[in-house]
Amino acid sequence: ILNVEQSPQSLHVQEGDSTNFTCSFPSSNFYALHWYRWETAKSPEALFVMTLNGDEKKKGRISATLNTKEGYSYLYIKGSQPEDSATYLCASPNRDDKIIFGKGTRLHILP
Amino acid sequence: DGGITQSPKYLFRKEGQNVTLSCEQNLNHDAMYWYRQDPGQGLRLIYYSQIVNDFQKGDIAEGYSVSREKKESFPLTVTSAQKNPTAFYLCASSERGYSNQPQHFGDGTRLSIL
Repeated sequence: ILNVEQSPQSLHVQEGDSTNFTCSFPSSNFYALHWYRWETAKSPEALFVMTLNGDEKKKGRISATLNTKEGYSYLYIKGSQPEDSATYLCASPNRDDKIIFGKGTRLHILP
Repeated sequence: DGGITQSPKYLFRKEGQNVTLSCEQNLNHDAMYWYRQDPGQGLRLIYYSQIVNDFQKGDIAEGYSVSREKKESFPLTVTSAQKNPTAFYLCASSERGYSNQPQHFGDGTRLSIL
């Protein structure tokens, strides 16, 4: 994998359901993996920065896991609420120390 | 409150003109960045600066220029050499050693060509 890739591109989830989505990144020369939440009409907000293989971080109903050996991270949202509607971005620095962003997963919570 | 201020929110440019987008931060961060977002694309790095009076090109620096004369300010100039400048521009900052430091973003500037 040469780029940071996110899937799915878009996701519709019923309010109250749990969901997860994926970020894939180059596993060689790994430095860190960032997750951001970007709500409409607001600026992106950092959720997590993860650096260690096997790391798991949690913030309220949102958690993330990291597998640096295989080059993926999952973001989980438990019991989705309307305020979770946003675009979720992941990003990882490459070997030139330039941070590369994925295209994002756009999450829509259905009432 | 500490944060990043981008101005203006909307900017219109005539062809052949240079325009400058402002980015100011009061977070006392050493590092600052400029990104561009196009529809269906992720954020792409234009320029970044790890310290005052120093900056490096990102992946799409052609047609852009920056300066970093003060720690809190990192203006981006979109020159007439940038053939497709219509986009959404985001400024960000972080503590130095940015790979494991979260980035803090401004609200963005949307640039359009008249």
